[in-house]
Amino acid sequence: GAVVSQHPSWVICKSGTSVKIECRSLDFQATTMFWYRQFPKQSLMLMATSNEGSKATYEQGVEKDKFLINHASLTLSTLTVTSAHPEDSSFYICSARGLAVNNEQFFGPGTRLTVL
Amino acid sequence: LAKTTQPISMDSYEGQEVNITCSHNNIATNDYITWYQQFPSQGPRFIIQGYKTKVTNEVASLFIPADRKSSTLSLPRVSLSDTAVYYCLVGDQAGTALIFGKGTTLSVSS
Repeated sequence: GAVVSQHPSWVICKSGTSVKIECRSLDFQATTMFWYRQFPKQSLMLMATSNEGSKATYEQGVEKDKFLINHASLTLSTLTVTSAHPEDSSFYICSARGLAVNNEQFFGPGTRLTVL
Repeated sequence: LAKTTQPISMDSYEGQEVNITCSHNNIATNDYITWYQQFPSQGPRFIIQGYKTKVTNEVASLFIPADRKSSTLSLPRVSLSDTAVYYCLVGDQAGTALIFGKGTTLSVSS
């Protein structure tokens, strides 16, 4: 199957700082990428959908000014958590879909964010 | 709201067959049924996908009745390494996001 990578796999930061997480589709062009958040022992919650070259669509309750998403190319999307707080500590997972992979959704390995 | 309902948890022993059933009463004509497996601190991993009847691959089988309002994931001869959370999702292939329900936590014991 297609491969989606994330970087970093884990990050620890101080409260008030910003953190950027990268999501890449390694062997296909991703017309659409998605960002999910997962708290311990809970399911994945969709945060936003991003299409290459256009603004992301955020789910209800997700602050677009706090979680900045950029999908500048067909293989890269970034999520920036601005002014991070301890309650933003979570497991962030991206996924990607593309026409070349029959629009199936492939998931990245996730990024563990811990805000001190 | 998630479109699917699954048992919260299931227990099994090594070597047994495990069947996890998922309800999706409001499945749309264009929707496919997809199952993912997730281990702790990892992203979901695709297991199997189907539209109707039966689909089988090297790791699982998926049974879908004619009305498509439910589906059953069958894992033959589970091992300890199959202990994970299993998610059933329905969605089309037009590019919309998959919405996750609570999933089924499968615990396999020796």
